[in-house]
Amino acid sequence: DSGVTQTPKHLITATGQRVTLRCSPRSGDLSVYWYQQSLDQGLQFLIQYYNGEERAKGNILERFSAQQFPDLHSELNLSSLELGDSALYFCASSALLDSLNTEAFFGQGTRLTVV
Amino acid sequence: AQTVTQSQPEMSVQEAETVTLSCTYDTSESDYYLFWYKQPPSRQMILVIRQEAYKQQNATENRFSVNFQKAAKSFSLKISDSQLGDAAMYFCAYKNDYGGATNKLIFGTGTLLAVQP
Repeated sequence: DSGVTQTPKHLITATGQRVTLRCSPRSGDLSVYWYQQSLDQGLQFLIQYYNGEERAKGNILERFSAQQFPDLHSELNLSSLELGDSALYFCASSALLDSLNTEAFFGQGTRLTVV
Repeated sequence: AQTVTQSQPEMSVQEAETVTLSCTYDTSESDYYLFWYKQPPSRQMILVIRQEAYKQQNATENRFSVNFQKAAKSFSLKISDSQLGDAAMYFCAYKNDYGGATNKLIFGTGTLLAVQP
């Protein structure tokens, strides 16, 4: 158990819908990262939050957004869903922002299926 | 832009034997970290081993060791005495210091390792 909790584990929804994925980081971790794992794109970094503020953006679509709340949990919002958004979405957390010597701990992922 | 390449989509090894998974990367940075992550069927991403680029000594964690060739930008993972539980997808990943802005990981496409009894 990494200590990072993602809910729900599975999600099936229709095209055009909107969903929210939730992540609770390890206790004390200030940084949250979202990754998308799809068959054709592999594992890709989407976005990072640190202590409530957005710190870095990767290959995140405009239809996707995220936020980190005062209690440090994070939500990834996916809207106007398309079939191609079907993927495994991972959340990871780490303690320190400015140090390379940190390990990112991954949650078990949310499997999103768009039908 | 940094890239990570894993040229072996699938590998197979006999139980108790040794297998080496390959990874190459491209970067112009001098300070960075490299990782191997394991993803079993449970989907959990598990850190196997990591290597700091400034360290010449290859990292070792029990049956797992790496061969880090900085000049060649190569970072292979050796699994000794392979066990059935080692069967998984293995991802090579890279991380460098963006001046503190982020610690995002850049992943390779993965190598699916099968362990034959």
